[in-house]
Amino acid sequence: DQQVKQNSPSLSVQEGRISILNCDYTNSMFDYFLWYKKYPAEGPTFLISISSIKDKNEDGRFTVFLNKSAKHLSLHIVPSQPGDSAVYFCAASFSSGSARQLTFGSGTQLTVLP
Amino acid sequence: DGGITQSPKYLFRKEGQNVTLSCEQNLNHDAMYWYRQDPGQGLRLIYYSQIVNDFQKGDIAEGYSVSREKKESFPLTVTSAQKNPTAFYLCASSIADSWFEKLFFGSGTQLSVL
Repeated sequence: DQQVKQNSPSLSVQEGRISILNCDYTNSMFDYFLWYKKYPAEGPTFLISISSIKDKNEDGRFTVFLNKSAKHLSLHIVPSQPGDSAVYFCAASFSSGSARQLTFGSGTQLTVLP
Repeated sequence: DGGITQSPKYLFRKEGQNVTLSCEQNLNHDAMYWYRQDPGQGLRLIYYSQIVNDFQKGDIAEGYSVSREKKESFPLTVTSAQKNPTAFYLCASSIADSWFEKLFFGSGTQLSVL
């Protein structure tokens, strides 16, 4: 049972336009959400995060929106650049006793067309 | 440059053979992790370690073993008991107070069965 779902395996966007990557989760205990970016033959790198006490977090061209009632978060990239072409993973975590568990989605391949 | 080094980049395993994947970090991070990525799936946690000489099973630990004798090193052994070992393996680390949050990943090892 996938607790974190990225239903779009791929997304293509024109350079300069907005990219919107979506992520849904089922576990209401998740209280911290992250996005990672992965280029081919490299490990994922941390991009941006958001706590469940917020509904928006912005960092330059990247903004993450959290809708707790819908158990949905999205990553907006504006404007999109060819260098943004990568696989984007959504991840969610919650505290379980003394440990935190991190669950990843299956990823969305973003292609930004010049 | 600080970072996480995984070796080898590609590894082939024969039936009934144990193989060990190396992971070394010079970031002075306390916590280290092993994830497995299969096509179309998210990253799944195999084992993690918060401190030297201590480690815990993740979601899919069966058929794997680890050790944490040094802070810098967290090798993963894929044993013959792991019946479906072909996957992309990622090692990660984090500082103690943000573990399971801002993970720093290595570039991965692709393991294939001959």
